[in-house]
Amino acid sequence: DTEVTQTPKHLVMGMTNKKSLKCEQHMGHRAMYWYKQKAKKPPELMFVYSYEKLSINESVPSRFSPECPNSSLLNLHLHALQPEDSALYLCASSQEPAYSYNSPLHFGNGTRLTVT
Amino acid sequence: GESVGLHLPTLSVQEGDNSIINCAYSNSASDYFIWYKQESGKGPQFIIDIRSNMDKRQGQRVTVLLNKTVKHLSLQIAATQPGDSAVYFCAVFSNDYKLSFGAGTTVTVRA
Repeated sequence: DTEVTQTPKHLVMGMTNKKSLKCEQHMGHRAMYWYKQKAKKPPELMFVYSYEKLSINESVPSRFSPECPNSSLLNLHLHALQPEDSALYLCASSQEPAYSYNSPLHFGNGTRLTVT
Repeated sequence: GESVGLHLPTLSVQEGDNSIINCAYSNSASDYFIWYKQESGKGPQFIIDIRSNMDKRQGQRVTVLLNKTVKHLSLQIAATQPGDSAVYFCAVFSNDYKLSFGAGTTVTVRA
């Protein structure tokens, strides 16, 4: 089992809905990430939080709003999504900075999002 | 930025044989590389990593080889088992702390 827990596992939402994805880790990692993965494609980076502050936003549309309430939790708030936003949303964590500490990212199993 | 490419999108292997998955990267300054395995319905799972001061690293049934001269990375799986069927991604850290993934190779193990 993964040490990064994501909820819910599946989510179906309409284009006018507001929903949130949640992620939790208890490995003491201080970097947390959101990735988006379309079918048969590699994961694509969306956001990086370092010590609970947003450090990277990969030009993600504002209908995706990340939040890091504390060092163990990461949320992704969703509002007014489009059908093309349907994808697997992956959360990951690592020591910080991952690059300097030879720290691979540890991924959760994702939330499968369908926008109708 | 970093461009990461895989040589083959699919690989079919007989159970018990060895598997080799190849990956190429573009940035000669890259120096930390990771292989992930992703099974259906799951997130990417860390397999093994290697830093550029090494050219080979071994784990349990897996070996990663790094050739910095030609910017090439490979993952070898010994005695491939049905449970090894998955999509394998190579991933590279670029200097700006971003992890970029290759396109992925789907490995199918034949009984």
